[in-house]
Amino acid sequence: QSALTQPPSASGSPGQSVTISCTGTSSDVGGSNYVSWYQQHPGKAPKLMIFEVSKRPSGVPDRFSGSKSGSTASLTVSGLQAEDEADYYCSSYGGSNNWVFGGGTKLTVL
Amino acid sequence: QLQLQESGPGLVKPSETLSLTCTVSGGSISSSTYYWGWIRQPPGKGLEWIGSIYYSGSTYYNPSLKSRVTISADTSKNQFSLKLSSVTAADTAVYYCARSIVGASDYWGQGTLVTVSS
Repeated sequence: QSALTQPPSASGSPGQSVTISCTGTSSDVGGSNYVSWYQQHPGKAPKLMIFEVSKRPSGVPDRFSGSKSGSTASLTVSGLQAEDEADYYCSSYGGSNNWVFGGGTKLTVL
Repeated sequence: QLQLQESGPGLVKPSETLSLTCTVSGGSISSSTYYWGWIRQPPGKGLEWIGSIYYSGSTYYNPSLKSRVTISADTSKNQFSLKLSSVTAADTAVYYCARSIVGASDYWGQGTLVTVSS
């Protein structure tokens, strides 16, 4: 199984919106509603931000939203804040009880 | 509040077996709702799913690691463990244990760095 494809970096100014993509295949993202997104600050464990494509765990601000079209999932962060600067990873069910992560995207708040 | 804590040697010699344990508090690994798994992150790199265990004892492994990985659970101690054999420098990483439901890992340990070096 191959890693999902994410852009290495993304950026935006405070208050703006930014979207991070996660591209897979019909065997993973395209064929599954089990797509998740994680936020990771330096030296910290990842934090679940989105599960099942577009659901937010309790406590995650509604500025974070997820969607999917075909084999590409997306995470949108609206109203960017300084604390949103972090690495973001997508994850998807890859079939046969396997899970695959994206390579990660470093989000910079300008 | 659920908490997970990894423990084990921080240094392993090449060709030997890496062994880590995850101790869970504030919840039971015997719950039928959740999977309990391991994820690793080489320094400066991305996340890699290693494998998971279900309360029934069923295990699921990353195909690229399957020949070297064993995940087991000790419900009496509320712990689950990872063994990775024949390690090389490429296995140097921060290893996380996590609770998952439908692939979404909602609780993570703090992570433990394991370095493979002689």
